Amino acid sequence: AQSVSQHNHHVILSEAASLELGCNYSYGGTVNLFWYVQYPGQHLQLLLKYFSGDPLVKGIKGFEAEFIKSKFSFNLRKPSVQWSDTAEYFCAVGRYMNSGYSTLTFGKGTMLLVSP
Amino acid sequence: DTAVSQTPKYLVTQMGNDKSIKCEQNLGHDTMYWYKQDSKKFLKIMFSYNNKELIINETVPNRFSPKSPDKAHLNLHINSLELGDSAVYFCASSVRGGAWQETQYFGPGTRLLVL
Repeated sequence: AQSVSQHNHHVILSEAASLELGCNYSYGGTVNLFWYVQYPGQHLQLLLKYFSGDPLVKGIKGFEAEFIKSKFSFNLRKPSVQWSDTAEYFCAVGRYMNSGYSTLTFGKGTMLLVSP
Repeated sequence: DTAVSQTPKYLVTQMGNDKSIKCEQNLGHDTMYWYKQDSKKFLKIMFSYNNKELIINETVPNRFSPKSPDKAHLNLHINSLELGDSAVYFCASSVRGGAWQETQYFGPGTRLLVL
């Protein structure tokens, strides 16, 4: 089945540690790729997105992600995390449905806990 | 300014009741969505409307009926609530559901608890 996989369900890091969250998808063809973040008790916010062009995209709050087409991956990175980065991170793939409209399919999320 | 708003924020109700959740967006978008986030935080699309027309229905039970009175509003009515309906329901919108390279903007969520 076509899906979006996030490798880690929970990640625990100390402040200043480097972060990499894995995301793989299994859809063929052209896709749009997104990372959303959900801070505790808040709604989903867009961190960054990839549509085309440079496969290394930079988002808000020092996050970046790299699209590797051959690996069907879109991993999220941050060189040095902060306590305020504690949140749930969702990878999502935008694709066209048979109806001709596009939709997002989300991974199951990775809960990041950053200890001060 | 709230781009995508939902009411209520919290909803606690008994099994068997009927309830509605409202969503409004002031972004001028044509397309709106309902997602369900279960207890394991898994987010799944339920419905999508483009300019008041249903375009996506992801095998959601008939007890769930979306209604779009205009393109800025997409309400979700749930009949005969069941325990398994307990979840966070997110509304989202985008410029045009069929447009390539577009972003969805999410509301704050409605936390539904069925007792």
